Amino acid sequence: AAGVIQSPRHLIKEKRETATLKCYPIPRHDTVYWYQQGPGQDPQFLISFYEKMQSDKGSIPDRFSAQQFSDYHSELNMSSLELGDSALYFCASSQGAVGELFFGEGSRLTVL
Amino acid sequence: SQQGEEDPQALSIQEGENATMNCSYKTSINNLQWYRQNSGRGLVHLILIRSNEREKHSGRLRVTLDTSKKSSSLLITASRAADTASYFCATAYHNNNDMRFGAGTRLTVKP
Repeated sequence: AAGVIQSPRHLIKEKRETATLKCYPIPRHDTVYWYQQGPGQDPQFLISFYEKMQSDKGSIPDRFSAQQFSDYHSELNMSSLELGDSALYFCASSQGAVGELFFGEGSRLTVL
Repeated sequence: SQQGEEDPQALSIQEGENATMNCSYKTSINNLQWYRQNSGRGLVHLILIRSNEREKHSGRLRVTLDTSKKSSSLLITASRAADTASYFCATAYHNNNDMRFGAGTRLTVKP
């Protein structure tokens, strides 16, 4: 069965650079979530989309933005990267607003 | 915040023993879910319990929910070394599209 696909799996950037992460949800899933997980930390909710519209916002910095496209894939754009942005970024998708989340394997961002 | 708080933060047991992890939350929820995460990997959904349910089983997993105490517990029976992972509870608000995770319990099962 198809799972949530994230790319790239690993990304290395310099401070103040920009990074874009992509997420392809499971087909027919209408909700996409982004989470940030620092080393040894719990996943922190960033933002979610339902049917291509932003549905909720968590602790997402103003330097970050995200959108969901017509094909339901989502992109997380991060600008003016800081050392503290180094983390695993997970995308998850679900069918409906409340229910089981299916997670991708994550994109590991390292900011040097 | 809505995030679940979990205890213990770390748990170390021998294979064959049972492991119990607890989660507390602050406001009313639609459902509570438990996830497992191996180091550096994606989270894997284990079980979902709705606010009108009190107990649910799935294989060696047993989850309880006490909405009056705003708490849930995850019991893993007859643990195996392969159960070694971090376990997170996550709560969903009513009519809300976010899912908030607690701090997690790191379970180590020694062979």
